[in-house]
Amino acid sequence: AQKVTQAQTEISVVEKEDVTLDCVYETRDTTYYLFWYKQPPSGELVFLIRRNSFDEQNEISGRYSWNFQKSTSSFNFTITASQVVDSAVYFCALSEESGGSNYKLTFGKGTLLTVNP
Amino acid sequence: EPEVTQTPSHQVTQMGQEVILRCVPISNHLYFYWYRQILGQKVEFLVSFYNNEISEKSEIFDDQFSVERPDGSNFTLKIRSTKLEDSAMYFCASIWGNGNTEAFFGQGTRLTVV
Repeated sequence: AQKVTQAQTEISVVEKEDVTLDCVYETRDTTYYLFWYKQPPSGELVFLIRRNSFDEQNEISGRYSWNFQKSTSSFNFTITASQVVDSAVYFCALSEESGGSNYKLTFGKGTLLTVNP
Repeated sequence: EPEVTQTPSHQVTQMGQEVILRCVPISNHLYFYWYRQILGQKVEFLVSFYNNEISEKSEIFDDQFSVERPDGSNFTLKIRSTKLEDSAMYFCASIWGNGNTEAFFGQGTRLTVV
């Protein structure tokens, strides 16, 4: 069964600090997909990144970067020089490729990030 | 840019009433989903729909819930007799054809059962 753990329930930082959000996953599949979504106070789910299990390259997009390590089953998300607009709940999610999985997403419990001015 | 559209954005209903939440997925997508998020909690899978039938449902998706794709564009979630604990944000999502694509989410319908 697939499982996603986000151990950090809440993180509070001061603007311009770097912050890393942790995500640990469990799956028996060899082919799977990892995602990060942002949920601002307005409530919608905003897609940030997708990674498949065969692509362990880290990725950087502006102030955002992601560190995927299969050896530790982790897919961590770092925001560099955080801004107040980064304040949101961030969800890590997993879907599996195995037959019948239907690619449903299993979400972690989310991390509430508050960036203070 | 294509998007998933959900209506209404907010619905208040009395306990025991039936509600229908509506979604228009992206037109060339093949898999459709409903997820639920109780306030302050994680997003939970309810049901997936593929090839005009339910392909998987969670234990949350009991006999009170049903889904339909009546006309090839709309995708609805019906709750027959709402309970207080059905109060949540309901998200519709769709994907094109495999897991290596993002799931496009609608903006959600906030259901409040009073």
